[in-house]
Amino acid sequence: DSGVTQTPKHLITATGQRVTLRCSPRSGDLSVYWYQQSLDQGLQFLIQYYNGEERAKGNILERFSAQQFPDLHSELNLSSLELGDSALYFCASRAGVDTGELFFGEGSRLTVL
Amino acid sequence: AQTVTQSQPEMSVQEAETVTLSCTYDTSESDYYLFWYKQPPSRQMILVIRQEAYKQQNATENRFSVNFQKAAKSFSLKISDSQLGDAAMYFCAYRSALDDKIIFGKGTRLHILP
Repeated sequence: DSGVTQTPKHLITATGQRVTLRCSPRSGDLSVYWYQQSLDQGLQFLIQYYNGEERAKGNILERFSAQQFPDLHSELNLSSLELGDSALYFCASRAGVDTGELFFGEGSRLTVL
Repeated sequence: AQTVTQSQPEMSVQEAETVTLSCTYDTSESDYYLFWYKQPPSRQMILVIRQEAYKQQNATENRFSVNFQKAAKSFSLKISDSQLGDAAMYFCAYRSALDDKIIFGKGTRLHILP
């Protein structure tokens, strides 16, 4: 158990809909990262928050947005969903500024029909 | 921008043998961190090994070791005495010491042959 909690584990929805994925980082971790993993693909970095502020941005679509709340949990909002958005979405939290090691949640599998 | 390249999409190794997975990266920075993560069929990402660029000594964790060649920007993972449980997708990752992005290669799928 990494200590990072993601909900929901599975989500099936239709094109054009909006979903919210939730992540609770490990206790004490201030950084939260979001990654997208499409079928048999690597992890695409989406966005990172540190203590409530956006710190780094990757290949995140304009239809996607995220935030980190004062209690440090984070949400990834995906809107106007398309078939190609079907993927495994990982949240990870970082242990500290010195090593950069990421602790991953189990992922949220999104299926868009 | 930094990039991470894993040139071997798939590899196979006989159980108990040794296998080396390749990773190269591109960066203009001198201080950074490199990682190997394992993703078994359960899809959970697990850290295998970590290397700080300022350390010349190659990191080792039990049967896992790296060959870190800073000048060549190469960071290969060696798995000794391969076990069936080592079958997984392996990802190489890079983190700059200057910013917070952590980027991953596309992965190498490792098969262990009994």
